[in-house]
Amino acid sequence: EAGVTQFPSHSVIEKGQTVTLRCDPISGHDNLYWYRRVMGKEIKFLLHFVKESKQDESGMPNNRFLAERTGGTYSTLKVQPAELEDSGVYFCASSRTGGGDTQYFGPGTRLTVL
Amino acid sequence: KQEVTQIPAALSVPEGENLVLNCSFTDSAIYNLQWFRQDPGKGLTSLLLIQSSQREQTSGRLNASLDKSSGRSTLYIAASQPGDSATYLCAVPGANSKLTFGKGITLSVRP
Repeated sequence: EAGVTQFPSHSVIEKGQTVTLRCDPISGHDNLYWYRRVMGKEIKFLLHFVKESKQDESGMPNNRFLAERTGGTYSTLKVQPAELEDSGVYFCASSRTGGGDTQYFGPGTRLTVL
Repeated sequence: KQEVTQIPAALSVPEGENLVLNCSFTDSAIYNLQWFRQDPGKGLTSLLLIQSSQREQTSGRLNASLDKSSGRSTLYIAASQPGDSATYLCAVPGANSKLTFGKGITLSVRP
């Protein structure tokens, strides 16, 4: 069974540009999560999809971040326009059910905004 | 609001030593607690998930304990090896499934 995959693994962009991160969850996992770790801080929750619906987006920093999960399969997280403080590692995770089920994490996308 | 603390931030031990990594949380109303491992530049690997009704969970040389009432969990690593060097994170899910993480403990096992 393939794990959670994320693309790209690294992205370096300039302030003001747009970046789109992609996550492919484990097949059959309805729940998909985005998390972020900025330098020196703990990993923090961004949002949670159940199939194609946003269950909880309370962790999204501001309206420069837009997440989608069309068709309930892969998800994208777009940052537009990117700011310096958006730099960090963006992790995606998936689980078969919610309610504390084991979340399986992808390798992350390291985003650097110059 | 749940807060998860892991102290110390870093730990260096000689190979073969048994060690304990600590995790504390402020809200004891948890479903479970997960321990993860992260290698440099890699994603998180789930090591153990211990349910709120359990006191211990074991996998190979790893043993996780949970004391909900005191808001503590420990990850015990027996006979540590250089390959155990990594960052270890604990996390607890809230009612809405989102995980709250500690900052992690970076472990270095010296040959």
